[in-house]
Formats: sequence, C-alpha cells, structure tokens
Amino acid sequence: NAGVTQTPKFQVLKTGQSMTLQCAQDMNHNSMYWYRQDPGMGLRLIYYSASEGTTDKGEVPNGYNVSRLNKREFSLRLESAAPSQTSVYFCASRLRGAYKSPLHFGNGTRLTVT
Amino acid sequence: DQQVKQNSPSLSVQEGRISILNCDYTNSMFDYFLWYKKYPAEGPTFLISISSIKDKNEDGRFTVFLNKSAKHLSLHIVPSQPGDSAVYFCAAEDGGSQGNLIFGKGTKLSVKP
Repeated sequence: NAGVTQTPKFQVLKTGQSMTLQCAQDMNHNSMYWYRQDPGMGLRLIYYSASEGTTDKGEVPNGYNVSRLNKREFSLRLESAAPSQTSVYFCASRLRGAYKSPLHFGNGTRLTVT
Repeated sequence: DQQVKQNSPSLSVQEGRISILNCDYTNSMFDYFLWYKKYPAEGPTFLISISSIKDKNEDGRFTVFLNKSAKHLSLHIVPSQPGDSAVYFCAAEDGGSQGNLIFGKGTKLSVKP
C-alpha cells in the first residue's frame, strides 16, 4: 500500500520557470492538501480540495495553482517560480466524514529556485 | 497570529526518561488535536490524537493530555528511546470551519543514549 506518492522528490528551477508537482493517493480519501514547510515556520497550508471537484485557498496560496484531476490526484503548479518558493512541499490526504481522522502525508518534494 | 504554538524549539532527554512536549492554542473552536512525528527527508507521520471531549488518550509509550481551560496539550513519551529523536508537530482542527489542520512550528526532540 503506497499511501501518498509525490513526484518529483527533488527539483531545481530558475526564477520564472514553471513546473507541476504531482500527488496521488491510493487510500480512497476524499480530501487532499498541499503544505509547504520552511525552517522555523512549521507546515503552512497552500491549497486544499475538500472533495473531488472543489479546491480552496489555504494560508499561503499566492503564486500557486492547483488541479484536482480526479479522486486520487491533486497537483500543484508554480507558473513563474520565485526564490521565495524554495521550500519542501508536502501533499496530504484524509477521509473526511462523520468522524475526525488524521492527515496522511507523502514524503515531500524539495524545491530550490535560483 | 499563531493559533497553535510550540514554544520550545528543541528538547534533549536521556534514554529511558520521560519526554514531555508542550503545545498551546488560542482558538476555543478547536475540537480535535493531533501530534505528528517527522524524520529528516520524510513526510510527517501521524502519532496520536485526542478529541476535545476527552482529557487523555494513550497509545503504548505515547500519551496526550488536553487541558481545555488552559488551552494546552502535551505529549508524554515514556520511556524515551533514541529512535524517538525527531521533530514533533502539534496540530489542531477547527470544528466550525472547513476542518483544516493548523500546525505548530515543531519541537526537535533529541534522545541521548
């Protein structure tokens, strides 16, 4: 059982370049999330998708777009990368319903923008 | 303004002793609290959670305590082992919102043999 899979694991971009971070989960979860982790800042929510067909902004959405391709896949796009977007990006998913449940995270994408 | 605060960036404990990690929150609407553990170059992994209707939840060596009046929760690890060395994140969910988790900045635990 793979859980949450993120690709790529590492990426180096030049300022202004674009790229898409991919995320897929095989746990039949309905909600998916993108977080970024920066030193001393904890995990901050970029965008989330509460269910297939919906997406919403989180705490730090500027400079990003997302697509909930289907129930399994949720991608994060940087249209014009900036050095401030150098970070580790984590995708997560959970089953939201009548009961509370934890997030399950992927192993992250380490992005450097020069 | 930080809604979930972990005021200790780091903690060092001797193997076999108790580790106590603390977390404070400001939003009284939070009704679900979680602890995550993170090793370098890996994603956070879920450790233990507690609902606001309880004041204690235990899972093996890990116990989470919730003090709603003080808006404080803590994670106790007994006995601590070198493999527990990691960054620990506290998280909370607002029951009245979309239900997104708000994370603290983390505490780095070092367990020395």
